Amino acid sequence: EDQVTQSPEALRLQEGESSSLNCSYTVSGLRGLFWYRQDPGKGPEFLFTLYSAGEEKEKERLKATLTKKESFLHITAPKPEDSATYLCAVQARNTGNQFYFGTGTSLTVIP
Amino acid sequence: DTGVSQDPRHKITKRGQNVTFRCDPISEHNRLYWYRQTLGQGPEFLTYFQNEAQLEKSRLLSDRFSAERPKGSFSTLEIQRTEQGDSAMYLCASSTTGWEQFFGPGTRLTVL
Repeated sequence: EDQVTQSPEALRLQEGESSSLNCSYTVSGLRGLFWYRQDPGKGPEFLFTLYSAGEEKEKERLKATLTKKESFLHITAPKPEDSATYLCAVQARNTGNQFYFGTGTSLTVIP
Repeated sequence: DTGVSQDPRHKITKRGQNVTFRCDPISEHNRLYWYRQTLGQGPEFLTYFQNEAQLEKSRLLSDRFSAERPKGSFSTLEIQRTEQGDSAMYLCASSTTGWEQFFGPGTRLTVL
């Protein structure tokens, strides 16, 4: 069965303290892995798509990487406005247009 | 471009009542998705439209749930005979490519 697991569930960082979030997946034939940010009471906001192992994408303080089994979202020198839940999702070749989301990592950045 | 909109934003209903939610996607986005999200969980796929055709539906979706997308524009999601377990945030997303999805703000349903 296809699965997406995110860790840690929650993370508290001091402003400027860099860290990484993990998304591990078990799918039959990955078509794409996606990172989203979700603020409380709002819909997810798209961040990155990764298609193949070794690929990296960057946006401001965020950098996403992909291996054959997992993806990391690296946050460099975070600011309080980076506080949110970060969701990982995958799409597999044998499941059509369905996207499977993890449960997310709740990030709090303390000033 | 005003983004994906959903209406209503909040709905409180009594168990056994029917409810209908509306989603207006970004114009010219031919792909539309419905998800359900409960507290502390990620969005759970419900169904997918390409233009007006409903191409995929989650195996977990009860037959009390039905969705339409007439003329390939807005979409509606109806839940019949609501149950307390249906309480959740219902999210709509649209896309052109099938990769980057743009989500609406969601409709929060509370079933009493």
